[in-house]
Amino acid sequence: AQSVTQLGSHVSVSEGALVLLRCNYSSSVPPYLFWYVQYPNQGLQLLLKYTTGATLVKGINGFEAEFKKSETSFHLTKPSAHMSDAAEYFCAVSEFSWGRRALTFGSGTRLQVQP
Amino acid sequence: GAGVSQSPSNKVTEKGKDVELRCDPISGHTALYWYRQSLGQGLEFLIYFQGNSAPDKSGLPSDRFSAERTGGSVSTLTIQRTQQEDSAVYLCASSLGGVGPGETQYFGPGTRLLVL
Repeated sequence: AQSVTQLGSHVSVSEGALVLLRCNYSSSVPPYLFWYVQYPNQGLQLLLKYTTGATLVKGINGFEAEFKKSETSFHLTKPSAHMSDAAEYFCAVSEFSWGRRALTFGSGTRLQVQP
Repeated sequence: GAGVSQSPSNKVTEKGKDVELRCDPISGHTALYWYRQSLGQGLEFLIYFQGNSAPDKSGLPSDRFSAERTGGSVSTLTIQRTQQEDSAVYLCASSLGGVGPGETQYFGPGTRLLVL
């Protein structure tokens, strides 16, 4: 079974500072990895995803993530935080077994941006 | 175009009552998923529909939970004899289907269920 671990349930940064949200996965097959963002009282919105090819993936709102197979990691970064980035972020891995397409999510990281 | 819609947005019910939650996927999407988001359990997969194939029900927590998808479009998640532990946000997602495990799932805003 696949699993996802997000280190740090809460991360606080200053506006303009680097954002780093950590995600490690466990998978017995090549993974498909996703980062979703959830704003208060809203559904999940895709930030970016890794399927195959280039290991550095760029997403919306200036976010990017790098797939590192040797470290089983898919950390999310943004060079300069903005107040509007305050939200909860979920890392997920796509489970592909017997035709299943469910996403397995990490427990989430709540990002707080201080002025 | 329109995204995934869910109704109601909020539902308060009494313990023991049945509830129905509705999901309208993005037009043309053949795959539909239900997830549950709760404080104690995080985001959990419940059920997956793909076209006319038998659904993957492996995530349903008990036989009080059921779901159907009519005409390959709208889906209804039914919870019978609700319990307080069923209180959660129920999220629906859809995807094109048939592309593979890397395809993007698009989520609706969720239904917030509170069981008193």
